[in-house]
Amino acid sequence: SQQGEEDPQALSIQEGENATMNCSYKTSINNLQWYRQNSGRGLVHLILIRSNEREKHSGRLRVTLDTSKKSSSLLITASRAADTASYFCATVVRMDSSYKLIFGSGTRLLVRP
Amino acid sequence: DTGVSQDPRHKITKRGQNVTFRCDPISEHNRLYWYRQTLGQGPEFLTYFQNEAQLEKSRLLSDRFSAERPKGSFSTLEIQRTEQGDSAMYLCASSLIGQSLRNEQFFGPGTRLTVL
Repeated sequence: SQQGEEDPQALSIQEGENATMNCSYKTSINNLQWYRQNSGRGLVHLILIRSNEREKHSGRLRVTLDTSKKSSSLLITASRAADTASYFCATVVRMDSSYKLIFGSGTRLLVRP
Repeated sequence: DTGVSQDPRHKITKRGQNVTFRCDPISEHNRLYWYRQTLGQGPEFLTYFQNEAQLEKSRLLSDRFSAERPKGSFSTLEIQRTEQGDSAMYLCASSLIGQSLRNEQFFGPGTRLTVL
C-alpha cells in the first residue's frame, strides 16, 4: 500500500514559474527521497533529505521536511518544459537487512512552454 | 540511463500465459529490488535480493509470482497464469551495501506488461 498522499495530483504551470508539490507520509522515517519519472520510463533519484534535516537544495530544487507534520515539499524554481514529468516522494522503511522505498501516488507536472 | 537495464521493455500476452522479465543491475550492486507500478500510482515494493538471497517479499507477490537471482547478478521475475490485473509496469532497481544510510536506488526503465 502507498505510504501517503501527494498533493496536488496534477499541476499545470507556465515555463518560468515555480512548482510546489507536497507529500505526506504515515510512519516514522530514516530519510525521504524525491524521484522523477518521465512518461513510461523508470524513476530517477532527485534529492534525499534526512530525518534530522529541515531543508535541502540541489540546483533548482528545494526540499523541506517537517517530521512533526509528517510532510515534505518539493519546490522547482524557474521551471522549464523539460521538467514535465511525474514526481514521487518515497520514504525509506527499514527491512530486516536493508531498506525499501514506499512511494506516494505522485504529482503529474506539466510545464507549458 | 542509470545503468540498470530491463528486458523486454514491453510485453503483451494473453490471459493465462506465463511471462518472464529480466533485470540486469549495475554490476557492483549487490542489492536488487522489484516494484510494480499501476497507471497513475507510485511504485509498490514486491521483493528484494541481497546477492542471490531473496530476503523480503511483499504480500502483493502472490503464488503466481516468482523471482530469482541465481548468481547474484541478473534477476528474473516470472508471472504464471497471468491475469488482467497483472497489467502494470514492472520496475527493477539496484543499490550498493555501504550506501544504506542513503538507500538511493537506481531504477531501470521498466517492463510494461499488458494482459489481454
